[in-house]
Amino acid sequence: AQSVTQLGSHVSVSEGALVLLRCNYSSSVPPYLFWYVQYPNQGLQLLLKYTTGATLVKGINGFEAEFKKSETSFHLTKPSAHMSDAAEYFCAVSEMDSNYQLIWGAGTKLIIKP
Amino acid sequence: NAGVTQTPKFRVLKTGQSMTLLCAQDMNHEYMYWYRQDPGMGLRLIHYSVGEGTTAKGEVPDGYNVSRLKKQNFLLGLESAAPSQTSVYFCASSRSGQGEAFFGQGTRLTVV
Repeated sequence: AQSVTQLGSHVSVSEGALVLLRCNYSSSVPPYLFWYVQYPNQGLQLLLKYTTGATLVKGINGFEAEFKKSETSFHLTKPSAHMSDAAEYFCAVSEMDSNYQLIWGAGTKLIIKP
Repeated sequence: NAGVTQTPKFRVLKTGQSMTLLCAQDMNHEYMYWYRQDPGMGLRLIHYSVGEGTTAKGEVPDGYNVSRLKKQNFLLGLESAAPSQTSVYFCASSRSGQGEAFFGQGTRLTVV
């Protein structure tokens, strides 16, 4: 069965530093890949998605992610962290074999240090 | 543009009580989902629907029932609430199963 692994339940970075949140999936075929962000006491909103085409995907708020098929990874990055980036981030995948149900990672809470 | 609206936002139930959570979307989406979110476990799919009049079980369906009588509404029912059902519940919808899912603001349910 498809699974999604997010390395690190909490990631702490200083304001202005590089943000790197890791996501690996287990599918043997290229799935659709998503990153969602959840701010405190709110629902989830889409940050970016990969379906087909260019493997480097740009999203909102300066985030981007690169699909690497050989590594079955879809890591999320941002060159310079801002205090407003503090939130929980979820990686999700969907594929035809799972009837395109979204399969979710456990989430990574991003902490920004002043 | 309301998007996905969940009611209620908060609820406290006693063990054994029943309740229904309502999800309404105004985007004419075919797919609707109910998730529960617990600390450290991400989102777990309870039930979903691929169109009006259809429902299907997700990863954790036990203790819950759903109905989709109208395309815009997806109801989640708890017939006999248990403390293990204390959680934050999210409804989501999508145009197709392959695309972006839009989420409601969540319902925080506590069962005592």
